[in-house]
Amino acid sequence: DTEVTQTPKHLVMGMTNKKSLKCEQHMGHRAMYWYKQKAKKPPELMFVYSYEKLSINESVPSRFSPECPNSSLLNLHLHALQPEDSALYLCASSRTVDTEAFFGQGTRLTVV
Amino acid sequence: GESVGLHLPTLSVQEGDNSIINCAYSNSASDYFIWYKQESGKGPQFIIDIRSNMDKRQGQRVTVLLNKTVKHLSLQIAATQPGDSAVYFCAENEAGTALIFGKGTTLSVSS
Repeated sequence: DTEVTQTPKHLVMGMTNKKSLKCEQHMGHRAMYWYKQKAKKPPELMFVYSYEKLSINESVPSRFSPECPNSSLLNLHLHALQPEDSALYLCASSRTVDTEAFFGQGTRLTVV
Repeated sequence: GESVGLHLPTLSVQEGDNSIINCAYSNSASDYFIWYKQESGKGPQFIIDIRSNMDKRQGQRVTVLLNKTVKHLSLQIAATQPGDSAVYFCAENEAGTALIFGKGTTLSVSS
């Protein structure tokens, strides 16, 4: 199983809503990542978890709050987002931070 | 900060041709590189990787070349097929950090 599963696939939320994106992998990987991708741009790193601990936060606004409940799950909690936060949010995992990363299909987020 | 970039935003080839996609990187501390393929509406898909102690690595129909002297990475696709049409990203990794993506090249294959 080399799959990273993200839910939901699509999400529309208002600027006052609270929502969560979920990511799951069962490959035994100990590093998990959130990336943000705008149209026709490369993925931009947001957060890195290594052995369930947050190791990198790329100066992401606090309206994005990551959580790693266990080694298989990664959440991204969203609150008070802005329309410019609309993007494809990608989750990835790798055996460790220096090995190949596998990506999920992403959650297409629209903030209205 | 430093980032990985690609030389050309688009590349158009005929089916059966060989394709070469280039990437320049600026972080001399990067020691691990990956090429990803991203099709419309999907997440990036791993193609091939290479570590800085190697110059060349071959996969099925793909070859990655690394020139550390000029900080250049290339992806060669042999006998390009319409199914190879996608956006290709190179990504770099400095030890202990995470993958940083370059700008991407859109490959269009016509039959």
